[in-house]
Amino acid sequence: QKEVEQNSGPLSVPEGAIASLNCTYSDRGSQSFFWYRQYSGKSPELIMFIYSNGDKEDGRFTAQLNKASQYVSLLIRDSQPSDSATYLCAGSNFGNEKLTFGTGTRLTIIP
Amino acid sequence: DAGITQSPRHKVTETGTPVTLRCHQTENHRYMYWYRQDPGHGLRLIHYSYGVKDTDKGEVSDGYSVSRSKTEDFLLTLESATSSQTSVYFCAISEPGEGAEAFFGQGTRLTVV
Repeated sequence: QKEVEQNSGPLSVPEGAIASLNCTYSDRGSQSFFWYRQYSGKSPELIMFIYSNGDKEDGRFTAQLNKASQYVSLLIRDSQPSDSATYLCAGSNFGNEKLTFGTGTRLTIIP
Repeated sequence: DAGITQSPRHKVTETGTPVTLRCHQTENHRYMYWYRQDPGHGLRLIHYSYGVKDTDKGEVSDGYSVSRSKTEDFLLTLESATSSQTSVYFCAISEPGEGAEAFFGQGTRLTVV
């Protein structure tokens, strides 16, 4: 079992709607979580990180962390065609900065 | 953009030959990583380094070795390339701390024929 699990998708969402991406992790020692976006043929780029229980908002993006349920999510409001990409969830243990990634979820925003 | 350069960007090599990929950074970040990315598997950690001459294995380290003799350079060597090592390889760098972002290089597409 991978330490970080994601639905591979693809996930299709109409333009303007909310896209919800989910991730679960098995290592309770994981403390920091990251959401990366990767366009086809490009390298991953960070969207958000979260390490406290609850929600963290940045523009149209909201990351949610529930340590009791070992669950991380990313909400994208007012989805745009430019949000079409693969989204990678990653976790790390503070003090050991080894990032472990999920397999990624491919998101398509339908105009 | 973070100063990370991978070389070469593309390489085709024959089975059984040694191959070395280079990652060079200008950010003076302590941590450096090598990942491979394959369809259906996401990014998988091969090796990482937490300082000069300090390296450790990741989840898919068999058939790979690394070296870091300087802060700025992290080399990945395939001792004897196999077709299963055909992949896209990414180097990443980060600094210690909560929420420490990993910055990725442009990737190297390696094909073993």
